[in-house]
Amino acid sequence: QKEVEQNSGPLSVPEGAIASLNCTYSDRVSQSFFWYRQYSGKSPELIMSIYSNGDKEDGRFTAQLNKASQYVSLLIRDSQPSDSATYLCAVNLRPGSARQLTFGSGTQLTVLP
Amino acid sequence: SQTIHQWPATLVQPVGSPLSLECTVEGTSNPNLYWYRQAAGRGLQLLFYSVGIGQISSEVPQNLSASRPQDRQFILSSKKLLLSDSGFYLCAWGLAGDEQYFGPGTRLTVT
Repeated sequence: QKEVEQNSGPLSVPEGAIASLNCTYSDRVSQSFFWYRQYSGKSPELIMSIYSNGDKEDGRFTAQLNKASQYVSLLIRDSQPSDSATYLCAVNLRPGSARQLTFGSGTQLTVLP
Repeated sequence: SQTIHQWPATLVQPVGSPLSLECTVEGTSNPNLYWYRQAAGRGLQLLFYSVGIGQISSEVPQNLSASRPQDRQFILSSKKLLLSDSGFYLCAWGLAGDEQYFGPGTRLTVT
């Protein structure tokens, strides 16, 4: 089993719809969870971080965390063509001084005009 | 604000040639620094990380090495490149929290 697993996609949604991206992780001691957006040919950009169970909203983005189920998700409301990118889930599986993150393989999202 | 630089942006090197990629961070002190590689269509693979000058930890045994000669400088090197070293090399920095912030990357093609 992969340590951080994402639906590989690709995921296509129409403009204005809600895009839902999912991620599961292997280690219950994980405390920090992140979503990165990576446009084709570019480096990943941090868009959301979440540390506590529940929802965290930032503009059109909502991150949801359920530590009991070892599940973190990203919802994008009112999806725009500019949201088309690969979304990477990252988890600190082994909390410690090195602050290492383990990344999922990413979900490619396409928002259709 | 903090800024991270990487150079060169693109590089084409023959098999067996040496490699030196540089990463510098501005606007912060004593950051944790990371080197990742992303092969085409693949996820991010952590290669090295550093918590301070001269302190390097390797995640994957290979023909690459890393050095941190100054607080905000991180260098990735190889004595002899392999075809399998091709990829997108990303430097990242982080502080006390777990967030990591990536530089623009270097796209390396080994021919």
